[in-house]
Amino acid sequence: AQRVTQPEKLLSVFKGAPVELKCNYSYSGSPELFWYVQYSRQRLQLLLRHISRESIKGFTADLNKGETSFHLKKPFAQEEDSAMYYCALELYNAGNMLTFGGGTRLMVKP
Amino acid sequence: GAGVSQSPRYKVTKRGQDVALRCDPISGHVSLYWYRQALGQGPEFLTYFNYEAQQDKSGLPNDRFSAERPEGSISTLTIQRTEQRDSAMYRCASSLAPGRNSPLHFGNGTRLTVT
Repeated sequence: AQRVTQPEKLLSVFKGAPVELKCNYSYSGSPELFWYVQYSRQRLQLLLRHISRESIKGFTADLNKGETSFHLKKPFAQEEDSAMYYCALELYNAGNMLTFGGGTRLMVKP
Repeated sequence: GAGVSQSPRYKVTKRGQDVALRCDPISGHVSLYWYRQALGQGPEFLTYFNYEAQQDKSGLPNDRFSAERPEGSISTLTIQRTEQRDSAMYRCASSLAPGRNSPLHFGNGTRLTVT
């Protein structure tokens, strides 16, 4: 069965420092991967997805099929990036039935 | 426009009672999804609909859980004979169309506590 692992429950960095939120997945096929974010007192929302190869709010994520990873990166963290981040995997042609990781709380300190 | 609306926001119920959780998706969205999120974990897929048809219910944990979307708009997730282990955040999401090119829009969730 497919699985998404986010090894860090909490990541704390200072403002301006680089950030990398780790995500590893297990799936033998060709997955589509996403990062969702939940800011304090807001809804869970899509941050970015692999297929669109876009950069949102300065975040990027590269799919590494060899390492089965989809780490989320940002070169310079901002305080407003503090949130809960979830990596998610969609099986090929499975619509929006997503398998989520356990989430990583990012705290950006001033 | 309005986003996905879920009610109630909080529900406290006694073990053994039935509960009904409501989701009102974004107008015109074809697909509607239910997820459950236990404390400290990520959301877990339960079931989804395209229009009024339930497409997949493989994530429903047992037969105490059921969902419907009779007119292809509002959906209700019903849990019968609730147990303490049912306590969680129940999240509803909708998408304009089925498939990966149509992102999910989540509601605020219903936090269910079974005492």
